[in-house]
Amino acid sequence: EIVLTQSPDFQSVTPKERVTITCRASQSIGSSLHWYQQKPDQSPKLLIKYASQSISGVPSRFSGSGSGTDFTLTINSLEAEDAATYYCHQSGSLPYTFGQGTKLEIK
Amino acid sequence: EVQLVESGGGLVQPGGSLRLSCAASGFTFNRYWMHWVRQVPGKGLVWVSRVDTDGTTTAYADSVKGRFTISRDNAKNTLYLQMNSLRAEDTAVYYCARELFKDVWGKGTTVTVSS
Repeated sequence: EIVLTQSPDFQSVTPKERVTITCRASQSIGSSLHWYQQKPDQSPKLLIKYASQSISGVPSRFSGSGSGTDFTLTINSLEAEDAATYYCHQSGSLPYTFGQGTKLEIK
Repeated sequence: EVQLVESGGGLVQPGGSLRLSCAASGFTFNRYWMHWVRQVPGKGLVWVSRVDTDGTTTAYADSVKGRFTISRDNAKNTLYLQMNSLRAEDTAVYYCARELFKDVWGKGTTVTVSS
């Protein structure tokens, strides 16, 4: 099973700050890595697919990069509405797995 | 509107069974692989199972293999998860999701396994 390790687990940030969340896979998964945002009492929302592909309707301040084992989600100019937990997810190898999540708090 | 709506959750005793359903609308259901993902409240997301477009190829997390069965009825635009031999650790919100990259999610249905 491929283990995804996100860092940090928690981050407290101020609006307009740039945030970087990393996801490291225990084995290479190519670009089969996706990012989600989940707010309390809501379903996850897809932000980025296949490491760097943007999703229609998702603000352009969200971007992704990486391949192989190291991936990054970047949020430019953070807004208050970005307070949420962020998850990475790999679909390159069964069983599919998720990272443990990164909780973003807005100061 | 593209939509997934789960149902069938509830309270069940350990060792019992439940069948979850996921009704799809707003898209051509039979063109998409479908998944079940679960989440213990306050905890992370866990992939459970997936099925291909015609229901012939399935896969499961080790924690549910042999107890859960995923299936679909393309005529009814509905995905299912038959859950047998339920354990306390199966207690979670169960979501259905579309495609490998899970671009569409339902709101989830809650399963509680307790005596």
